[in-house]
Amino acid sequence: SQTIHQWPATLVQPVGSPLSLECTVEGTSNPNLYWYRQAAGRGLQLLFYSVGIGQISSEVPQNLSASRPQDRQFILSSKKLLLSDSGFYLCAWRVAGGTYTSSYNEQFFGPGTRLTVL
Amino acid sequence: ILNVEQSPQSLHVQEGDSTNFTCSFPSSNFYALHWYRWETAKSPEALFVMTLNGDEKKKGRISATLNTKEGYSYLYIKGSQPEDSATYLCAFPGGSEKLVFGKGTKLTVNP
Repeated sequence: SQTIHQWPATLVQPVGSPLSLECTVEGTSNPNLYWYRQAAGRGLQLLFYSVGIGQISSEVPQNLSASRPQDRQFILSSKKLLLSDSGFYLCAWRVAGGTYTSSYNEQFFGPGTRLTVL
Repeated sequence: ILNVEQSPQSLHVQEGDSTNFTCSFPSSNFYALHWYRWETAKSPEALFVMTLNGDEKKKGRISATLNTKEGYSYLYIKGSQPEDSATYLCAFPGGSEKLVFGKGTKLTVNP
């Protein structure tokens, strides 16, 4: 069966410090991978997605970047955190093959990371 | 910009009450609508994927209906229990590779 891991679970960082959040998926190959953020009082916002190693699509301009160095590893980074980067970060995956407009595969979410920037 | 709207934003009901809430989405170029349940301190988990106009899906006391012509889906919970307390999210394909989520309806069931 497939599992998705995220770490750390919680993080408190000062403004201006770097960030690295990691997500790994087990039990599947070549998944589509996603990073979402839920800021306080906001909905679930898609930040980045990846359909393969080294392929990153950015959804919103921001202070963050993403990388996919291995098939089942997705990393969210920042060189200098802002207060507005605080929020709950979720990684998700879905099976490769087909698209949301031709097949109806659900996304599976990781446990999330609560990031507080002070 | 694709708009997925959910209402109400939050809802408080008593244990045993039945309740429902709405997801509105663009009625043109419909592909599918996804419902997720997100309990506090847990990951969002999929409830339903709805694809056909008039579709009705059921999982225990939770059911959902779909009207693609007018662009809405209802989620119903019959005889709410405290364990149903969660944020219910709907999502619509925002392109071939991604889902656009609504802001959710936060349901609190009081014992």
